[in-house]
Amino acid sequence: DTEVTQTPKHLVMGMTNKKSLKCEQHMGHRAMYWYKQKAKKPPELMFVYSYEKLSINESVPSRFSPECPNSSLLNLHLHALQPEDSALYLCASSLGQGAEEQYFGPGTRLTVT
Amino acid sequence: GENVEQHPSTLSVQEGDSAVIKCTYSDSASNYFPWYKQELGKGPQLIIDIRSNVGEKKDQRIAVTLNKTAKHFSLHITETQPEDSAVYFCAGPDRGSTLGRLYFGRGTQLTVWP
Repeated sequence: DTEVTQTPKHLVMGMTNKKSLKCEQHMGHRAMYWYKQKAKKPPELMFVYSYEKLSINESVPSRFSPECPNSSLLNLHLHALQPEDSALYLCASSLGQGAEEQYFGPGTRLTVT
Repeated sequence: GENVEQHPSTLSVQEGDSAVIKCTYSDSASNYFPWYKQELGKGPQLIIDIRSNVGEKKDQRIAVTLNKTAKHFSLHITETQPEDSAVYFCAGPDRGSTLGRLYFGRGTQLTVWP
């Protein structure tokens, strides 16, 4: 089973709202990733967690706040977003941070109004 | 870091024909090359990958070839079907300070006409 699940599937939020995206995997993977994908572009890495610790932050604005409560869960807390933050947010996981095979979830389509 | 270039950006083929997408990479230390398929409204799906110790890998109608000397790898889809229509991304992993980062190509929109 190589399934990564994400909720919600769609999210519309105002610029003053606070919301969270959730990601879950039960493959025993110890590395989890957040990517942002704009239309007709490849995914762009935002954050990497390895063994529940933040390993990589690709200079993402502080209005995006990741959290890894345990080895199966990854959250992305959103606050005071801008319309240009509208995108598909993808979660991925891999066996370890050095393991190359990354498995992606279906994504959350975020629209900021 | 790695630099991955992908061509073509769009590809249209008739059902039953073959499709080939090519990627070049810059880091000669790279040793793993995955291909992802992304259907509309879905996340990228790992469909095939190859490591640098082999030159070709096949899985039913899809295959990947690797030329380490020329630093390029290609995805081959034979007997294409309409359900193969999607965006395909190649990628190369960072072997350096940002271990775990995947560098994606810009993507190829494949359309298979019935």
